[in-house]
Amino acid sequence: DQQVKQNSPSLSVQEGRISILNCDYTNSMFDYFLWYKKYPAEGPTFLISISSIKDKNEDGRFTVFLNKSAKHLSLHIVPSQPGDSAVYFCAASAWSNYQLIWGAGTKLIIKP
Amino acid sequence: DADVTQTPRNRITKTGKRIMLECSQTKGHDRMYWYRQDPGLGLRLIYYSFDVKDINKGEISDGYSVSRQAQAKFSLSLESAIPNQTALYFCATSDQTPGQSSYEQYFGPGTRLTVT
Repeated sequence: DQQVKQNSPSLSVQEGRISILNCDYTNSMFDYFLWYKKYPAEGPTFLISISSIKDKNEDGRFTVFLNKSAKHLSLHIVPSQPGDSAVYFCAASAWSNYQLIWGAGTKLIIKP
Repeated sequence: DADVTQTPRNRITKTGKRIMLECSQTKGHDRMYWYRQDPGLGLRLIYYSFDVKDINKGEISDGYSVSRQAQAKFSLSLESAIPNQTALYFCATSDQTPGQSSYEQYFGPGTRLTVT
C-alpha cells in the first residue's frame, strides 16, 4: 500500500503559466516533506522541502503548500519555464527516521 | 567532478550471474543509500548505511546484499540476478547532522541494469 501518492502521472502546462503538482500521503507520522526534480539520465535533485510545523515554504518560483488535515501537499511553480520540464517526486519522512518514502512521480511538460 | 558517482552506468547481464554496482561519494557524508526505481513505483529503498559499521535492510532487500568498504564507498550486489531485478538503481548520500539537512539526499546518476 503506497503511503505517498502522486495520482497524476503527467501534467502539461503552457510556458509562463502556473504548474501545480499534487501529492497525498496516508501516514500521519510523516513530519517532513520534500520535492525532488529528475531529468532523464540523471539522479533526482532536491528542490524544496517543508516541515509539518509550517503550511507554506517558498523558494523563488517554487512554493510548497502543506495541508495536514487533508494529508495533502502541492508544489506550485510560477511562472513555468521550459527548463522545468522533468519528473517531480514527492517524498516524506517520519521524525528522526531520515528514511524517505517516495511517490511515483509526475512528469511535467512545459509547452512553448 | 560529480559528488556521487556510480559505476557502471549501464549493464546487461544474464539470469543467475552475480553483479556488483559501485557507488563513491566525495561529499563527506556518513549516510548512504541504495534505491531502485521501477516505472510507476517511484524509488524504493533496498539498503542503507549510517556509517561504516551500520548497515540496515530497507523495504526490498531480498536478493540483494551490500558492502560499506569505507565512508565514501557503498556497493550493491545481486548474488544471482533475475529478470525482475531489471531496473534503474540509484545511490544516495545524506548528512548526519541533526536537522533539516539530514533529510536531504544527494543522488548519483543511476545505473540502468537489464537482466535477460
